Amino acid sequence: EAQVTQNPRYLITVTGKKLTVTCSQNMNHEYMSWYRQDPGLGLRQIYYSMNVEVTDKGDVPEGYKVSRKEKRNFPLILESPSPNQTSLYFCASSFGTGARSEQFFGPGTRLTVL
Amino acid sequence: TQLLEQSPQFLSIQEGENLTVYCNSSSVFSSLQWYRQEPGEGPVLLVTVVTGGEVKKLKRLTFQFGDARKDSSLHITAAQPGDTGLYLCAGGGNNDYKLSFGAGTTVTVRA
Repeated sequence: EAQVTQNPRYLITVTGKKLTVTCSQNMNHEYMSWYRQDPGLGLRQIYYSMNVEVTDKGDVPEGYKVSRKEKRNFPLILESPSPNQTSLYFCASSFGTGARSEQFFGPGTRLTVL
Repeated sequence: TQLLEQSPQFLSIQEGENLTVYCNSSSVFSSLQWYRQEPGEGPVLLVTVVTGGEVKKLKRLTFQFGDARKDSSLHITAAQPGDTGLYLCAGGGNNDYKLSFGAGTTVTVRA
């Protein structure tokens, strides 16, 4: 089954404790991205990757890191999480870029930083 | 960042009624997408519109892209409880890696 998987689905952590949210897709997509979703603000892009070893900042990259060592995986790293990073996070992948290409989203990771 | 404004923010209607959701921007988009998101899941693509003035139909859903490619609407005819969800519009440029999303419209269809 074609899908985007994220782990964990739920995470409660404390300020400053490094964490990684994994994302994997099995559709051989070149383009992957991370979004956060907050009430009233919609989906905001954190980072995106056009291919292996090629990443760039989205609209809200502060406090986050990413890597793309393999085509299928795109982990999101929070080196020192803070309470304002409490949010619902989505990973997405697509064949192409922009709004002409269907974005396939993972199920989401709900993160709470205390 | 290209901003997309959606209205209304919330919409609650009775089964069988019609509804329209709007997505507006001051920027021109080369294409625009509509997604639906259900609780506990990621958004799922409904449609992509690419030509100004384009109208696409998906069963009881009708999508329109404005002539100037700055706005779009989603119309649902005879809404059903299964149409309940968060509807999101997203726009981007031709070679734009960034996709901008609206804040969404939460639609509730009561049986």
